[in-house]
Amino acid sequence: QKEVEQDPGPLSVPEGAIVSLNCTYSNSAFQYFMWYRQYSRKGPELLMYTYSSGNKEDGRFTAQVDKSSKYISLFIRDSQPSDSATYLCAFLRGFQGAQKLVFGQGTRLTINP
Amino acid sequence: DAGITQSPRYKITETGRQVTLMCHQTWSHSYMFWYRQDLGHGLRLIYYSAAADITDKGEVSDGYVVSRSKTENFPLTLESATRSQTSVYFCASRPTGLLNYGYTFGSGTRLTVV
Repeated sequence: QKEVEQDPGPLSVPEGAIVSLNCTYSNSAFQYFMWYRQYSRKGPELLMYTYSSGNKEDGRFTAQVDKSSKYISLFIRDSQPSDSATYLCAFLRGFQGAQKLVFGQGTRLTINP
Repeated sequence: DAGITQSPRYKITETGRQVTLMCHQTWSHSYMFWYRQDLGHGLRLIYYSAAADITDKGEVSDGYVVSRSKTENFPLTLESATRSQTSVYFCASRPTGLLNYGYTFGSGTRLTVV
């Protein structure tokens, strides 16, 4: 069983739609939960992070974590063409110096004008 | 310029050749990482380094070698390139600290082994 499962998509939605991106994980040792955004031919960039169950909001983006179900989500409201990118969930495993990021496969998202 | 720089951006090499991918960061971050990104696998950790002269293997380290003689540089060498090593390679860094989970990635090197 993979530590992280993420639907690779692709996902195509019209501008203004609400987008929901999801990941499941199996490792209870994961401590921090992150979403990275990756534009074409660029490196991933940190979009949001959280370490507890519940919701965290940042502008049009909301990250949701359910530790009991081992499930995280990223919601994008009022989606824009500039949101078109690959979104990767990521999990931090380990402590202090031994921390390592484990990534999902990434979901390719296209917002159509 | 401040940041993390990878070179070259694109590389084509032949099977069996040795090739080195370069990574340079200007923040003096302690930790540096090499990942490869492939369709269907996402980003997988090849090697990481906690400081100069301290390196350790990730999950897909076979066929790769790293060194870190200076804090700012972390080159990745493919000792004898194989077609299965065709991939996009990303270098990343982060500062020391319990809650410093903010990895910063370079723009990647797209390597093709023919």
